[in-house]
Amino acid sequence: DIQMTQSPSSLSASVGDRVTVTCRSSQSIGTYLNWYQQKPGKPPKLLIYAASSLQSGVPSRFSGGGSGTDFSLTISSLQAEDHATYYCQQSYSIRSTFGQGTRLDIK
Amino acid sequence: EVQLLESGGGLGQPGGSLRLSCAASGFAFSNYAMSWVRQAPGKGLEWVSSITGSGGNTYYTDSVKGRFTISRDNSKNTLYLQMNSLRPEDTAVFYCAKVSPGSVIVGYWYFDLWGRGTLVTVSS
Repeated sequence: DIQMTQSPSSLSASVGDRVTVTCRSSQSIGTYLNWYQQKPGKPPKLLIYAASSLQSGVPSRFSGGGSGTDFSLTISSLQAEDHATYYCQQSYSIRSTFGQGTRLDIK
Repeated sequence: EVQLLESGGGLGQPGGSLRLSCAASGFAFSNYAMSWVRQAPGKGLEWVSSITGSGGNTYYTDSVKGRFTISRDNSKNTLYLQMNSLRPEDTAVFYCAKVSPGSVIVGYWYFDLWGRGTLVTVSS
């Protein structure tokens, strides 16, 4: 199976900061990479698909990039409501895998 | 309203069985592959199983292969997960998720709709 590794595992940032989360795959997956946001007690929510396409209704401060094995999720100006855990997911394989998650706290 | 609603979770005995259901509404259910994703308490997301829109093809993560069976009834707009030979490590919230744009076999795909989840606890 393809292994997905996110970094950092957790981070703390202030409102207005630019924040970047990275995700690395154990083999090349092209741009078959999705990002989700999960708030406590809620199901995940799709943010970005195909590495850089913004899901409808998601604020434009979220963006994604990368290809091959290295990917990133960037929040251009952090808002208080962005407090959540973020997961990457590869859909290169039918047997999908997720990263371990990045917990984002607001200072 | 477009939604997924899981049911069937609860307390299961080690070695026992549970059957989860996921009722879909607001979209053409048979046009979409569906999946189950689980999350152990305090842990991350784990893909469990997927099924094509017709139900003709199924896929499983290794840890549940031979124990869990995914199925669907397109006439009832319902997805199922039959879980046998339960283990304590199966304890998790189980989410059903809709695959867009429809197939897990061809092209880009992602989970664009999730249910609220149902908690399965395996303990004696």
